[in-house]
Amino acid sequence: GENVEQHPSTLSVQEGDSAVIKCTYSDSASNYFPWYKQELGKRPQLIIDIRSNVGEKKDQRIAVTLNKTAKHFSLHITETQPEDSAVYFCAASGTYKYIFGTGTRLKVLA
Amino acid sequence: EAGVAQSPRYKIIEKRQSVAFWCNPISGHATLYWYQQILGQGPKLLIQFQNNGVVDDSQLPKDRFSAERLKGVDSTLKIQPAKLEDSAVYLCASSFGQSPDTQYFGPGTRLTVL
Repeated sequence: GENVEQHPSTLSVQEGDSAVIKCTYSDSASNYFPWYKQELGKRPQLIIDIRSNVGEKKDQRIAVTLNKTAKHFSLHITETQPEDSAVYFCAASGTYKYIFGTGTRLKVLA
Repeated sequence: EAGVAQSPRYKIIEKRQSVAFWCNPISGHATLYWYQQILGQGPKLLIQFQNNGVVDDSQLPKDRFSAERLKGVDSTLKIQPAKLEDSAVYLCASSFGQSPDTQYFGPGTRLTVL
């Protein structure tokens, strides 16, 4: 069945450094790729998304890139801050189904 | 605009008991999702409604889980009887249209089965 692989499962970076999280999807019909941030005990919050007709999208310190040929997309966070510490989930969505990745726990060390 | 509402926020029950969760989506959102999120994992879709019809319930354990959205707005998810492995956070989400569309999540219900 369809799945989304996400790497790494944990990531520690120094404050001010960049963080990159990668996801690979299997369903070639997927055409919408959101990223969610989930702080401990809270709901997932959408931070950025990209559709398949776009290769890259940026919003301040956050950017997402998509390679449809290779079926992978990545989240890039620049100038990381302690408040960026959270679990990040990617997802891939096709005709009607969302499939989430397994999550990346990001720790930004002050 | 008001977000997705869920209740209760926390529930502790013993195995073999039954439990029900309630969700009120964002006004005007036609699509409603129920997810199960086990600690340390990503959300897993249990059931998706488009208005009051089921779009996908392929991962819903139908022998013990049921869900309904009778008037195309609020929804309830029920577990009967509960098992230990049902301990998880149950998240409700809604979107304006069908996938692919941005989903907005509720705060979740944390279920502990003893």
